[in-house]
Amino acid sequence: QKEVEQDPGPLSVPEGAIVSLNCTYSNSAFQYFMWYRQYSRKGPELLMYTYSSGNKEDGRFTAQVDKSSKYISLFIRDSQPSDSATYLCAMRVYTGGFKTIFGAGTRLFVKA
Amino acid sequence: GAGVSQSPSNKVTEKGKDVELRCDPISGHTALYWYRQSLGQGLEFLIYFQGNSAPDKSGLPSDRFSAERTGGSVSTLTIQRTQQEDSAVYLCASTATAVENTIYFGEGSWLTVV
Repeated sequence: QKEVEQDPGPLSVPEGAIVSLNCTYSNSAFQYFMWYRQYSRKGPELLMYTYSSGNKEDGRFTAQVDKSSKYISLFIRDSQPSDSATYLCAMRVYTGGFKTIFGAGTRLFVKA
Repeated sequence: GAGVSQSPSNKVTEKGKDVELRCDPISGHTALYWYRQSLGQGLEFLIYFQGNSAPDKSGLPSDRFSAERTGGSVSTLTIQRTQQEDSAVYLCASTATAVENTIYFGEGSWLTVV
């Protein structure tokens, strides 16, 4: 079993839709939870990170963490074609040094 | 530099040849990571350097893979006797400190083994 599970999609939605992206994890030692966005042929870039259970909002994006269920989500409101990208969840754990584990990434297409 | 720089951006090599991939992290960043990204597989951790500490090599898939970081800055990932399954994007990343959550990635080196 992978430490971080993420459905690779693809996920196709119409412009303006609410998008829900999810990851589950198995290691309860994970401390930081992040979402990265990766455009085609580019490196991933950090979108949001959170430490505790609950919601964190940034504009049209909301990150949600449920540590009891080992489940994290990213919601995108009023999705735009420019949101079309691969979204990777990531989690950090301290093992003598910090290690970041990434999910497989979900490919999102927002149709105009 | 302004960002993480990787070279070459694209490399096609014959099976059995050795390849070297280079990474210039953001100036002053103490932590450097190498990841491999294959289609549908997400980012696979390979190796992590932090300052003068011994690197975390736990992600290297075989002894054909090695990496070094000279002078706490530039890093080189070497793949010996390349195989077709080594074809992937090799991403380098850096963070300002070991505890910094924001990882800055380069655009990757796209390796194709034919």
